[in-house]
Amino acid sequence: NAGVTQTPKFQVLKTGQSMTLQCAQDMNHNSMYWYRQDPGMGLRLIYYSASEGTTDKGEVPNGYNVSRLNKREFSLRLESAAPSQTSVYFCASVISGGNEQFFGPGTRLTVL
Amino acid sequence: GQSLEQPSEVTAVEGAIVQINCTYQTSGFYGLSWYQQHDGGAPTFLSYNALDGLEETGRFSSFLSRSDSYGYLLLQELQMKDSASYFCAVRTLYNNNDMRFGAGTRLTVKP
Repeated sequence: NAGVTQTPKFQVLKTGQSMTLQCAQDMNHNSMYWYRQDPGMGLRLIYYSASEGTTDKGEVPNGYNVSRLNKREFSLRLESAAPSQTSVYFCASVISGGNEQFFGPGTRLTVL
Repeated sequence: GQSLEQPSEVTAVEGAIVQINCTYQTSGFYGLSWYQQHDGGAPTFLSYNALDGLEETGRFSSFLSRSDSYGYLLLQELQMKDSASYFCAVRTLYNNNDMRFGAGTRLTVKP
């Protein structure tokens, strides 16, 4: 069991470039989440997917899009990166009805 | 809206007991979670309280008072490896997929 995996681990972008962050889980979890974490702050929810085929906005969705490709995979896309999107991005998953979110190792993104 | 408050930093010595408090404001409270995060690492789940009272898991315990909108994480027999950031997070009845995290408490354990 790999748990929750994320790619890439690190990324540097220039303002205006686009990229997709990938997340996959092998625990057969229904719900998946994307968070961002800025220095000295807690995690803020960007988008989540309660089940395959559904996605919903969280606290800070502006500038992002997501795709729940199948039950295993949930990707986060930045269409036109901005310096304000410099952050660490975490993907997480939880079994339906469960309380414990399992987090991936994170992607450290810098936008110049 | 929702808000959570927890101290930004706590320092304690090895072997001691430390309590990290969390007060929250939210409509339709569902439950309070605690997560640990070491520098450069991912958050890991510690505990969850939906009902009033104390939940114990080894050296860690978590308490909730719904009437006071308050909870705490109690760490006993502190070890150096407990130095990390600790986050409380709330889920609401209206959307229990939408978890809101506090800003975190950085715990430093000294020898």
